Order: sequence, then C-alpha cells, then structure tokens
Amino acid sequence: SQTIHQWPATLVQPVGSPLSLECTVEGTSNPNLYWYRQAAGRGLQLLFYSVGIGQISSEVPQNLSASRPQDRQFILSSKKLLLSDSGFYLCAWRFLREGEQFFGPGTRLTVL
Amino acid sequence: AQKVTQAQTEISVVEKEDVTLDCVYETRDTTYYLFWYKQPPSGELVFLIRRNSFDEQNEISGRYSWNFQKSTSSFNFTITASQVVDSAVYFCAIQGGSEKLVFGKGMKLTVNP
Repeated sequence: SQTIHQWPATLVQPVGSPLSLECTVEGTSNPNLYWYRQAAGRGLQLLFYSVGIGQISSEVPQNLSASRPQDRQFILSSKKLLLSDSGFYLCAWRFLREGEQFFGPGTRLTVL
Repeated sequence: AQKVTQAQTEISVVEKEDVTLDCVYETRDTTYYLFWYKQPPSGELVFLIRRNSFDEQNEISGRYSWNFQKSTSSFNFTITASQVVDSAVYFCAIQGGSEKLVFGKGMKLTVNP
C-alpha cells in the first residue's frame, strides 16, 4: 500500500529565516506530487505540482520554491520566510492524472 | 477555469440527525471529476469519493450518500444518522482538463452528542 510522509509536523520560524519541508511517498512509482497551503480560514491553495523528477509547475508566484530531486521526494523551500507564509502545508500524490489525490499529515508552520 | 461553491460555512447538528452538505460547481470542460474530502481536527485530508462527469449514478457508502446532478451542476453529500466522529471540515473539489484540483472553501460540520 502507498503511504505519504511529511516532516516536520510543526515548525516555528522567525521572519527572514530559510525553510525546507520534505514530503516522500512510498509504495508507488512516478507519482504526480503536489504542495498545497491552507491559511487561516480553511481554503486550500495549490502552490506547486510535479509530474516527474526535476519538473516543477508553479501556480502562485511568491517567495517559495519546490524541487523534486528523486521520484518520490518533493521539497518545499524558501530562502527568507515572510509572516504571510504561516499556514498548514499539505503534500499530496496522485498516480493517475484523473485520479484522486491522497494527502499527507501536513506541516503546521508559524512564522513569527 | 473551474469553481466550486460551498454556500454553507458551518453547520451544527445533534447526533443522529441527517445532514446534507451542498456543493455547486462551474466548469467549461465536458469531462471533469468531482471529489469530496474530509478534514478532521488532526488536519489530514481524507479522500471520500470521486465521481466522473459522465456517471450521474448516485452512490451510497454506509451512512454516506452522494447526489450528482449535472442539470443543476451540483454534487451534494448527505450523512445519515450523524455521529460525533463525523465532525470535521468537508471539502468539495473539481478537476477539469488540467492538473489542478480546485477546492471549495469547505464546510465545518459539528455533531453534538
């Protein structure tokens, strides 16, 4: 069976500090991978998605970036965090393009 | 572009009541997919159902049922005999011709004992 991991689970960072969130998927090959952010108020915003190693599509221009160094690894980064980057970050994977997405446990980021 | 509207933001019911969560969508794609997800207090989104645009057959899974009507662009979700464990935020979502899954704003359901 497939599982998706995210870490860390929670993170408190000062403004201006760097960020690295990691997501890995087990039990499948060549998944489509996604990063979402859920700010206060519950709405889910797609940030990045990847259909293969090194292939990243950005949905929202901001100070975040994503990378996919390995088939089942997806990393969300920032060089300098802003207060507005606070939120709940969710990674998801999908095997088929029209299939359902499965979500990880999320990382709760607080920028102070 | 797709859009999902969940007009209800919060609903509070007493255990064993039936509750229906409304979802209205907009799309210009002829082929699309509709989804419902549940987000319990722990935060993780749990997949509940996927429905293809060419399959209007309603579905029942235990206490959950879904009513898909293309004529009204709606994909409503009913929980029968609600339980406290059903308390969560529920999201309706749509995917059309792109990779993007577009979510509604979510509806918080509270089931009181």
